[in-house]
Amino acid sequence: GNSVTQMEGPVTLSEEAFLTINCTYTATGYPSLFWYVQYPGEGLQLLLKATKADDKGSNKGFEATYRKETTSFHLEKGSVQVSDSAVYFCALMDTGRRALTFGSGTRLQVQP
Amino acid sequence: GAVVSQHPSRVICKSGTSVKIECRSLDFQATTMFWYRQFPKKSLMLMATSNEGSKATYEQGVEKDKFLINHASLTLSTLTVTSAHPEDSSFYICSVDQRDSGYGYTFGSGTRLTVV
Repeated sequence: GNSVTQMEGPVTLSEEAFLTINCTYTATGYPSLFWYVQYPGEGLQLLLKATKADDKGSNKGFEATYRKETTSFHLEKGSVQVSDSAVYFCALMDTGRRALTFGSGTRLQVQP
Repeated sequence: GAVVSQHPSRVICKSGTSVKIECRSLDFQATTMFWYRQFPKKSLMLMATSNEGSKATYEQGVEKDKFLINHASLTLSTLTVTSAHPEDSSFYICSVDQRDSGYGYTFGSGTRLTVV
C-alpha cells in the first residue's frame, strides 16, 4: 500500500536558518505529491505540490522537487522566519484514490 | 476554496459516552468529505469517505458501528464516536473534496478528543 515517511520533529531553528524537512514515499502508481502546512488553531493548507517526476513545487519561499529515483519530496527553504512556525505534512495522492495519504507531520519552531 | 468549520476543537468525555464532531462546509456544496484521525507521532490516517445522501465508505480496520458518519446535507457531515474508550483519544480532522472545482482539498482545524 501507499505510505509517506517524514522526519520526526520538532525541528528548532533560528530565524534566517536553512530548512530541510525530509519526506519519502511508497506508492503503487505514479502519485502526485504535496506539502501541507497547519498553523496553530487552523486547518491544513496546501503549501505546494508536484504532479510528476522532476517537477518542482514552490510557494512562499518553500520548494520541493519530485524525485522518482529516490522516491523523495524534501521540503526546503533558504531562510526561515518566525511566522513559518507550524506543522508541515507531506502527502501523496495515488491514481485511483480520492483521498490523500499523509505522513506524520513535522513541527517546525523558529526562534527569533 | 471553501471555508470548513469543524466543531468542537477540543472535547473531553467519559468512557462509555458518545461524542459528536461536526464538519461544516460554509460556502461550498460538498458531496464528498473525508474523516482522518491522528495518533501521537503517527500519520494522519484516513478513516472514511463521507458521501452526501448515502452511506460512508470506511477504510479497512475502522469500525463503522463505532464511528458513525452522517452526511445528510451538502454542508454538514458528522462523526459520532459511540461508547468512547480511552484508546479513541485522538486528533480528528475533516476535509472537503473540491478537486472537481479546481480547489483541491480544504481541511477543518481538527478536534482533539480525550476520553477519560
